[in-house]
Amino acid sequence: GEDVEQSLFLSVREGDSSVINCTYTDSSSTYLYWYKQEPGAGLQLLTYIFSNMDMKQDQRLTVLLNKKDKHLSLRIADTQTGDSAIYFCAALSGGSYIPTFGRGTSLIVHP
Amino acid sequence: SQTIHQWPATLVQPVGSPLSLECTVEGTSNPNLYWYRQAAGRGLQLLFYSVGIGQISSEVPQNLSASRPQDRQFILSSKKLLLSDSGFYLCAVTGTPSSGNTIYFGEGSWLTVV
Repeated sequence: GEDVEQSLFLSVREGDSSVINCTYTDSSSTYLYWYKQEPGAGLQLLTYIFSNMDMKQDQRLTVLLNKKDKHLSLRIADTQTGDSAIYFCAALSGGSYIPTFGRGTSLIVHP
Repeated sequence: SQTIHQWPATLVQPVGSPLSLECTVEGTSNPNLYWYRQAAGRGLQLLFYSVGIGQISSEVPQNLSASRPQDRQFILSSKKLLLSDSGFYLCAVTGTPSSGNTIYFGEGSWLTVV
């Protein structure tokens, strides 16, 4: 089955860009997602990308997909303290309706 | 867009007591519904999913059960809670294909078993 991996921690300075990386194993994955989880809350969908796209931009967020390497990244420009949270990557395999989630990356933004 | 209501938000239950967590969804019909648990290690564990009324698939054998008595209602239950059942429980629903078949989550229920 699908396996999704992401690093557990990332620390950045306020105002810098953050890049959170994710790898997945199933080349038939159709949709790839990024979620944000603030303390004590549910997961909030940030964005998703379809597998036939290389890039998607939404305000401060840029998603890059390298389908050959099965690598997904989320770039947050001008990172703010309010961006501190856990970010989950998820992949949906073709023919499935159950995405596989990574373990989440804790983003810590310090002044 | 769909709205997910999940309650109670927080509960503390003694070992051996029963559990009922409820989730209802608005703004969609015949949705796929999911129960996830997030333990201290942060990873999401899929517990149950349902593609229709009365149709429940269990992903992990454990002390919990799920039921879907109505199209937009999903209930997580236990007859006797264990300490290991403590965690953050999330109900989720699948969006439409036009939204990338995205899974949307409720705000979660914190369960502490003492």
